Amino acid sequence: KNEVEQSPQNLTAQEGEFITINCSYSVGISALHWLQQHPGGGIVSLFMLSSGKKKHGRLIATINIQEKHSSLHITASHPRDSAVYICAVRLDNNNDMRFGAGTRLTVKP
Amino acid sequence: EPEVTQTPSHQVTQMGQEVILRCVPISNHLYFYWYRQILGQKVEFLVSFYNNEISEKSEIFDDQFSVERPDGSNFTLKIRSTKLEDSAMYFCASSKGQLSGNTIYFGEGSWLTVV
Repeated sequence: KNEVEQSPQNLTAQEGEFITINCSYSVGISALHWLQQHPGGGIVSLFMLSSGKKKHGRLIATINIQEKHSSLHITASHPRDSAVYICAVRLDNNNDMRFGAGTRLTVKP
Repeated sequence: EPEVTQTPSHQVTQMGQEVILRCVPISNHLYFYWYRQILGQKVEFLVSFYNNEISEKSEIFDDQFSVERPDGSNFTLKIRSTKLEDSAMYFCASSKGQLSGNTIYFGEGSWLTVV
């Protein structure tokens, strides 16, 4: 069983739509990271969460520690948001990170 | 903005050859990491490094792999005798502190192709 599960695997949206990507995990964690991987392969960190909610521009990330679930929301999506979004968790008490398989988002104009 | 830099961006090597992938982490960061991503698969943790020693490593990081911080700036991953299945994108990353409270910064990756 995967320790980090993301849904959906693929998501196509029209420009302007509200996007939600979900992440569930089955291990004890001390933090959860949302990452964005561009078509060229480069990875950028979007959020690091250990509780509650964070907002940066049009991006919002939430985490529910009791339910072992996190969501990444994109408001007013734009074609430049097209990328693979990856959920990664830092395990309790060490710097080992486990990654989800990613959600491939395509935003059409 | 400070960034993690990796070289080479792409390397092709023959099976059995040794490969060294180089990384320059962000200068005031204390924790360094290597990850790999086989084409079409998810990113996998290889190793974390702090205070000049390995702090964690995964099952993937066996005896053919080693890491080193030879000077104050470089952080290298050596693969001693490459196998076909080592073909992957290798990402270096760094953070100021532990990942429970700090953002992780990734390099652009080094594509390794073993033929």
